[in-house]
Amino acid sequence: GENVEQHPSTLSVQEGDSAVIKCTYSDSASNYFPWYKQELGKRPQLIIDIRSNVGEKKDQRIAVTLNKTAKHFSLHITETQPEDSAVYFCAASKGYSTLTFGKGTMLLVSP
Amino acid sequence: KAGVTQTPRYLIKTRGQQVTLSCSPISGHRSVSWYQQTPGQGLQFLFEYFSETQRNKGNFPGRFSGRQFSNSRSEMNVSTLELGDSALYLCASSLGGQVPYEQYFGPGTRLTVT
Repeated sequence: GENVEQHPSTLSVQEGDSAVIKCTYSDSASNYFPWYKQELGKRPQLIIDIRSNVGEKKDQRIAVTLNKTAKHFSLHITETQPEDSAVYFCAASKGYSTLTFGKGTMLLVSP
Repeated sequence: KAGVTQTPRYLIKTRGQQVTLSCSPISGHRSVSWYQQTPGQGLQFLFEYFSETQRNKGNFPGRFSGRQFSNSRSEMNVSTLELGDSALYLCASSLGGQVPYEQYFGPGTRLTVT
């Protein structure tokens, strides 16, 4: 089955810096890659996603890139703010509504 | 539109008991997926239902089961509870179909097994 590796497990940055989280997937048939943000005690929230026919997608301070050949995708957050502090999960899907998640990255943004 | 809702939010059970959790999807969504979240294993897929049919199942023992009703509401059941079943159980709803659609999560049910 699909396997998703996520790095780093923790990431500490200063406010205003950029943050990058990387994921690799194993199944070349995967074609949908969402990213979720989960604050402590809250539900995971979809923040951005990308499909396999697109190489990059941007939404304000958040961007995601996909390299199908290398089977990896990354989340980029620019101008980080303290409210960006949370656990971020990447996921991959090849059909229906089945998501395989990475283990998560705890992002800490210090003022 | 109202978001995904789950009941109950918290549950404490004893080993050997069984439990039923409920999930109401976003109006118009026909797919409901269930996930188990633990600190050690992260988010793991349990199963997915679409139009009252289980379309996919994760690698969990048969003690974990589910169903979906004609109004798309879904329930999951865990029988013969074990200590290791303590976790946050999340459901997510989406439009469904063969193409992956965005999934939106409910607040979860925190199950504690003692």
